[in-house]
Order: sequence, then structure tokens, then C-alpha cells
Amino acid sequence: DIQMTQSPSTLSASVGDRVTITCRASQSISSWLAWYQQKPGKAPKLLIYKASNLESGVPSRFSGSESGTEFTLTISSLQPDDFATYYCQHYHNYPWTFGQGTKVEMK
Amino acid sequence: EVQLLDSGGGLVQPGGSLRLSCAASGFSFESYVMSWVRQAPGRGLEWVSSITRTETTYYADSVKGRFTISRDNAKNMLFLQMNSLRADDTAVYYCAKSVTLEIDHWGQGTLVTVSS
Repeated sequence: DIQMTQSPSTLSASVGDRVTITCRASQSISSWLAWYQQKPGKAPKLLIYKASNLESGVPSRFSGSESGTEFTLTISSLQPDDFATYYCQHYHNYPWTFGQGTKVEMK
Repeated sequence: EVQLLDSGGGLVQPGGSLRLSCAASGFSFESYVMSWVRQAPGRGLEWVSSITRTETTYYADSVKGRFTISRDNAKNMLFLQMNSLRADDTAVYYCAKSVTLEIDHWGQGTLVTVSS
């Protein structure tokens, strides 16, 4: 099974900060990676698919990139609505696996 | 508008069974991979099972042999039959729709609590 190692587990930041979250796959997943945002008590929301494609309706301050088996979610300028937990997920094959999550909290 | 309405959760004793349902609307249900993803209290997301358009099924090792995913394309319904439930199956279970394979829509979740 492919393991997804996400870091950091918690990130303290301020409004306007540039935020970067990393996910590393244990083997090649091509670009079959998604990023989700989840707020407490709510279902996750798709932000990025196929590593770098922005889901319709998602603000352009969110972006995704890849380098080999390392994937990055960047928020260019953190907004109040962005304080949440973020998960990566591979869908290269079954079983799908998620990263452990990164909680972005207010500094 | 895509809607996924999860239901069927509740309190069940260890070793018991429960059947989750997901009513889908707003898209061509039969054309998409559908899945169940769960989240234990205070924990991360865990993929549970998926079913393809041709009804090929996939399961996480943690539920294989105990859970069965199925779909009724005529009624736009997704199901998860859960048997031999254990305490570590306690979680919010989300019904999920995939577009290519990434999950683009989620249900609101239904809570399953396994406890005596």
C-alpha cells in the first residue's frame, strides 16, 4: 500500500502569511493526488486535483505543485476563512490513502 | 446541484450490524465511482470502500470481509452493509462521489457508534 506522509501536523500562521504544506508518497503516484480542506463538523472540500489543478470555485490563492513523490499545497496569502485542517490523498490505485492532516491555526 | 444524503448511522453493540444508505441526486449516478470514507472522533480521514460504474468493489484491509458496498443505479442509492462491528469502527461515515477519481462531492456524514 502507498503511504502518504504529510507535514507539518500543525502550523501556526497569521492572516496574510504564505503557507506551505507538504505530502510525500512512499512510491510514485504520478500526479494522482488531491488536496482537501475540512472545517470542524463539516465534510471535506476538494481544493486541488491531479496535483496542481484548481477545483472550480476555489480561490486562486490556493495552488498545488509536485516534484517526484513530493507534493505541496501553498496558500499564497492566508485569509481568515482558511483556518482549517488540510488533507492530501492519493488515488493512484486502491487502497486510497490520506495524509495525517495539517491543522492551520491562528498564531 | 449535486446532493448526497447519508443516513443509517446509530448506536450498535460490538458484533452487531448496521446498513448505511446514501441518496444521490443532481448527477448521473450510474456514471461515477462512489465511495465511503470515515473519520473517527478527533482523527483523520480513512478511505473505507469504493464501487465502480461496473460494480467492481474495493475495500480497506481494516473492513475487508466485514463490510459490503453496493449500489442501486435505478434508485440512485449507495449502501454500506457493516457486519461484525468493532469499537474501532466508531466514526462519521461519509458518502463520496468521484469525478475522475478525486472526490468532488461529499455527503454530510452519518455517525456510527459501536459500544456496549
